[in-house]
Amino acid sequence: EVQLVESGGGLVQPGGSLRLSCAASGFAFSSYWMNWVRQGPGKGLVWVSRVNSDGSSTNYADSVRGRFTISRDNAKNTLYLQMNNLRAEDTAVYYCARGAFFEGFGYWGQGSLVTVSS
Amino acid sequence: QSVLTQPPSVSAAPGQKVTISCSGSSSNIENYSVSWYQQLPGTAPKLLIYEDNKRPSGIPDRFSGSKSGTSATLGITGLQTGDEADYFCATWDSSLSAGVFGGGTKLTVL
Repeated sequence: EVQLVESGGGLVQPGGSLRLSCAASGFAFSSYWMNWVRQGPGKGLVWVSRVNSDGSSTNYADSVRGRFTISRDNAKNTLYLQMNNLRAEDTAVYYCARGAFFEGFGYWGQGSLVTVSS
Repeated sequence: QSVLTQPPSVSAAPGQKVTISCSGSSSNIENYSVSWYQQLPGTAPKLLIYEDNKRPSGIPDRFSGSKSGTSATLGITGLQTGDEADYFCATWDSSLSAGVFGGGTKLTVL
């Protein structure tokens, strides 16, 4: 059974940092593109970042480029999102999702809540 | 404001059919595959349609996808109360070099 389990969310002050993790199981993690997608309170889905299967290629939304870094450890079957210089508008549930855009995001984690507030 | 434009809400009676549009441009929908997601309240999104019109295993054929030029459409027939959810389209945008989601459409089954 495919499982994606996020962790690392919580309350952080503006300007602070947080690292999210997404532990994958039940599939060949190293064969898939992986993504982070977020959803602010009462808002829609917003794509944040993606990384290719071997970690050599990454893309970011304009709103997070230069502040967030996506990475993966295929030996540990884990996806990461390092978030620095956090802002109030980064407050959201962060989902990790498996897949490239052409094939759709077929599996999603349960989400991890990040709250940026003083 | 999303790059992909969806109607904020649609509604129809049980058993009826509804369509949800997703309007984009040549840098996204026209040249890249579109996927559709259903999000029930309090849950993670679920893939309904990929590559414009393909259904993952387990998705009933009541759900269909189509694309023409810079617009894509999700169709749902035989509406059920359990279909009440938010629906999102998504694709890649070459101008932004980023993924994009539509703003979402709330479906109400009256």
